Order: sequence, then structure tokens, then C-alpha cells
Amino acid sequence: QKEVEQDPGPLSVPEGAIVSLNCTYSNSAFQYFMWYRQYSRKGPELLMYTYSSGNKEDGRFTAQVDKSSKYISLFIRDSQPSDSATYLCAMVRGSYIPTFGRGTSLIVHP
Amino acid sequence: NAGVMQNPRHLVRRRGQEARLRCSPVKGHSHVYWYRQLPEEGLKFMVYLQKENIIDESGMPKERFSAEFPKEGPSILRIQQVVRGDSAAYFCASSPKGGDTEAFFGQGTRLTVV
Repeated sequence: QKEVEQDPGPLSVPEGAIVSLNCTYSNSAFQYFMWYRQYSRKGPELLMYTYSSGNKEDGRFTAQVDKSSKYISLFIRDSQPSDSATYLCAMVRGSYIPTFGRGTSLIVHP
Repeated sequence: NAGVMQNPRHLVRRRGQEARLRCSPVKGHSHVYWYRQLPEEGLKFMVYLQKENIIDESGMPKERFSAEFPKEGPSILRIQQVVRGDSAAYFCASSPKGGDTEAFFGQGTRLTVV
């Protein structure tokens, strides 16, 4: 079992939809959680960063962490074609090395 | 306020040659991570360095691969005697300290071995 599981997709949604992206993890030692967006042939770009259970909101993006279920989510409201990218979850434990999920490919069509 | 700078962006090497990838972290960041990404796969950790020290190289192949982060200058990932299987995108990330801080990525170096 991988430490971090993430469905690769692709996930295809119409413009304006609410998108839900998810990751599960097996190691309860993970304490800090991040979401990155990666456009094709570009480097990952940090979107959200959180360390506590609950919700964190930033514009159209909401990161949700449920440590009891070992489950994290990223919600995108009013999705736009420009949101089409691969979204990677990442988590950090005491070793200080971010561990990444495989990434979910999102396609928002007009 | 430059971000993480990686060069070259694209590198083509023949089998058996050496590849040298450079990473200049965000100014003030002393922690550097190298990752490899293959098509349809996620980011695979290779090595974690602080200035002049290798902290964790558990993800790096024991042979042909080496990394350094000298006191002055960029971090270098070196691949000797490259093989076709080394073809991938190599990303560098930096953070001001380990653990509870964000890591910022460069645009990557795409290595092609022919």
C-alpha cells in the first residue's frame, strides 16, 4: 500500500462546477498537508498549505483535512478552464520530506 | 524576488555521458529537495540536502547518482553514465527550513537520453 493514494483521473467537469479532489494516506505521522497545481510541462505550484484538521479557504479554493479518517480534500468552486491541470497532494511528517500523491488530472471544459 | 531556478530546462545526453542539473533555491532557503517525475507518475523523492550536508538520500539510486549543495552556489544533481531509463523531468524544491514550511518548486529540467 502506498503511503499516499490519489486517483489519477482524469476528472472532467463543465465550467462553473464544484470540483472535489481527494487523497487518502496511511501514516498517521503526517502532520502538514499541501496541495499543488501542475500545468503541463511546468513545475508544481503551491496552492494551499494546512496543518490542522478542518477547513482552510483561499478564494475559490478550500482545503479540508480529516486526520481521524486520514483523508484530505481540495474543493474548487466556480471552476474555470484555466483550472485544467494536474493537482498533487503532498504531506510532511517528522522526516521533513514532502511525500506526494500521484496527482489527479482535472479537465474543465467550457 | 526570484523563485527556484533550475537550469538547463532541457538537456539531451547520449548514453554513457554525464548529466549535471543545477538548482538555485529561493534566496534565504537552506533546504533543497530533488524529485524525479516520469510520465503518468507522481513526484518521487530522491534526495534532501541542507547547506553542505546530505540529510536523506534514501530515494536516490546508489550508483551513478550524486547530489551536493555547497556553501556557495547552486545545488547540483549529477548523473554519471546516463541510460535511457534516466530520461525524466527532474524537479528541485526549496524551503526555508524543514518540516512545517511550504516547499516551492522550480520549473524542472527535462532530461532526454538518446
